[in-house]
Amino acid sequence: ELKVEQNPLFLSMQEGKNYTIYCNYSTTSDRLYWYRQDPGKSLESLFVLLSNGAVKQEGRLMASLDTKARLSTLHITAAVHDLSATYFCAVDGWAEGGSEKLVFGKGTKLTVNP
Amino acid sequence: DSGVTQTPKHLITATGQRVTLRCSPRSGDLSVYWYQQSLDQGLQFLIQYYNGEERAKGNILERFSAQQFPDLHSELNLSSLELGDSALYFCASSGMGQGWAKTQYFGPGTRLLVL
Repeated sequence: ELKVEQNPLFLSMQEGKNYTIYCNYSTTSDRLYWYRQDPGKSLESLFVLLSNGAVKQEGRLMASLDTKARLSTLHITAAVHDLSATYFCAVDGWAEGGSEKLVFGKGTKLTVNP
Repeated sequence: DSGVTQTPKHLITATGQRVTLRCSPRSGDLSVYWYQQSLDQGLQFLIQYYNGEERAKGNILERFSAQQFPDLHSELNLSSLELGDSALYFCASSGMGQGWAKTQYFGPGTRLLVL
């Protein structure tokens, strides 16, 4: 069964600092997704990583995928308060019936302090 | 705004009752997914429908059922509700079939409170 682990689960950082969130998964997959969730709100798609070595950047966030290591990272550069949210990674797995399903990590709750 | 709509936004009911949650996918999307999010279980995949047919099942209880109608909207039925069913229920939709990257776009969710 596919397992997706994120760490850290909680991250408190100061504005202007850099940090990385890690996402490990247990079985082979070529597709990895990053989502953001604000408190009490829905999940917003950030990145889709489709192949080994894929790197995508949007503003202060950069995501990368290493399928051989089964690892994705979400790097935060010069954090600002607006980035405070919970970040989820998700990986395509297999559901009952043979179809695909997304398996989510537990999320990393990021708090950026002034 | 993802383009996925869910109703109602909030639902308060009693144990033993039955409720129906409704979801309209983004225009053109054929796949609808249901998720349950709770503090202790995290985000759990429940079930997927594709163009009216059940495609994949996750951790869905037998007391829960879903369907997708010809106009592609979907309903999640929760019956014999228990306190532990209190959670945020999300619907998501995607446009691609198997073999393609299929980002799922999430609706705003329905917050269910069972008293």
